[in-house]
Amino acid sequence: GAVVSQHPSRVICKSGTSVKIECRSLDFQATTMFWYRQFPKQSLMLMATSNEGSKATYEQGVEKDKFLINHASLTLSTLTVTSAHPEDSSFYICSARVLGRGARDTQYFGPGTRLTVL
Amino acid sequence: DQQVKQNSPSLSVQEGRISILNCDYTNSMFDYFLWYKKYPAEGPTFLISISSIKDKNEDGRFTVFLNKSAKHLSLHIVPSQPGDSAVYFCAASLYGNKLVFGAGTILRVKS
Repeated sequence: GAVVSQHPSRVICKSGTSVKIECRSLDFQATTMFWYRQFPKQSLMLMATSNEGSKATYEQGVEKDKFLINHASLTLSTLTVTSAHPEDSSFYICSARVLGRGARDTQYFGPGTRLTVL
Repeated sequence: DQQVKQNSPSLSVQEGRISILNCDYTNSMFDYFLWYKKYPAEGPTFLISISSIKDKNEDGRFTVFLNKSAKHLSLHIVPSQPGDSAVYFCAASLYGNKLVFGAGTILRVKS
């Protein structure tokens, strides 16, 4: 399968600071990447869809000014949690959709980033 | 509104036996379905998928069955192995749009 990496894998920050998470497709180009959030013992919640070279599409209830997404290249998307608060603590996972390889609509996921806001 | 449901939060199976994980959906327009496996603190790993024009897809120990009239799909793992112990998510897609995930089922394979 396609390889997607995330960095950092774990981050602890103080309340009020901003945190940037990187998502990279290592062996393919991804025109579309997705950002998810998972709370303990719950399913993956889609936050936004990131398309290379255009603005991200946010899901209902997700603050676009708080969760800034940039997809500047075909292999990199970033999620910046601005002015983080303890309620933003969660497991953030990105995925990339592979076109023309394997099954249709298959998303390959990164390993996730555990964010803890103190 | 949960469009994809996994009603069993957990399942326990003996090693070597068959594991059957179930998933129901409500939107008859979904045209593609996937199963993912997830370990704690890791991202989901793609397992197997099926198009709505098929009713079965097999890959090694994993087989997915789709019953469109019942809006039901299932994942069969046989034989089950201790390394299969993880959370399994089913997901559905509509014409290439975003995936909608179920809540997940924890599978425990006992040796």
